[in-house]
Amino acid sequence: DAGITQSPRHKVTETGTPVTLRCHQTENHRYMYWYRQDPGHGLRLIHYSYGVKDTDKGEVSDGYSVSRSKTEDFLLTLESATSSQTSVYFCAISESPQFGTDTQYFGPGTRLTVL
Amino acid sequence: DAKTTQPTSMDCAEGRAANLPCNHSTISGNEYVYWYRQIHSQGPQYIIHGLKNNETNEMASLIITEDRKSSTLILPHATLRDTAVYYCIAQGGGSYIPTFGRGTSLIVHP
Repeated sequence: DAGITQSPRHKVTETGTPVTLRCHQTENHRYMYWYRQDPGHGLRLIHYSYGVKDTDKGEVSDGYSVSRSKTEDFLLTLESATSSQTSVYFCAISESPQFGTDTQYFGPGTRLTVL
Repeated sequence: DAKTTQPTSMDCAEGRAANLPCNHSTISGNEYVYWYRQIHSQGPQYIIHGLKNNETNEMASLIITEDRKSSTLILPHATLRDTAVYYCIAQGGGSYIPTFGRGTSLIVHP
């Protein structure tokens, strides 16, 4: 299995509080991704990174920010959590998707509940 | 990425082959067909991918039609542990971030 860890694995927080989720990889892959997964919606891309300090938005980026200060860590921040952000969050990594053949490897997920 | 269409759910008897179809009629020549699966509560896991030729690995076989408009993932001897959601993705070309749909929920029963 690819070396991807997510922390915390479970978190319960209150509306309006800031929350940061961490994804850590030991594979030295260039690309990192944050997805959320909700019943009936499948996996939806929030943000992704194509290098240190290089990030871009996905389809559901509103209310989220990300940072990547080093290759191995990709942080997802909810500046002011809302109940609609209750979800399971998955981090993924890949080497180089530009050339079509590129496999994503996923972390174990973080279950976030916003009360 | 080309849009893919999969059945919402399927079932299969343990020990039998599970054949999961995927339609990708708008796939372009440089897009690969990828399959992932997600066992309950876990992160998705890569299974197999291919461009034109059929592919086989220790997990599954991938059969791609000659016109590349559809493919079938084959789990030759399904076990209860193969119960999962299976995602078919057409990936590549200019848009290289894969898009996951809702996949096929496969239930393997005894």
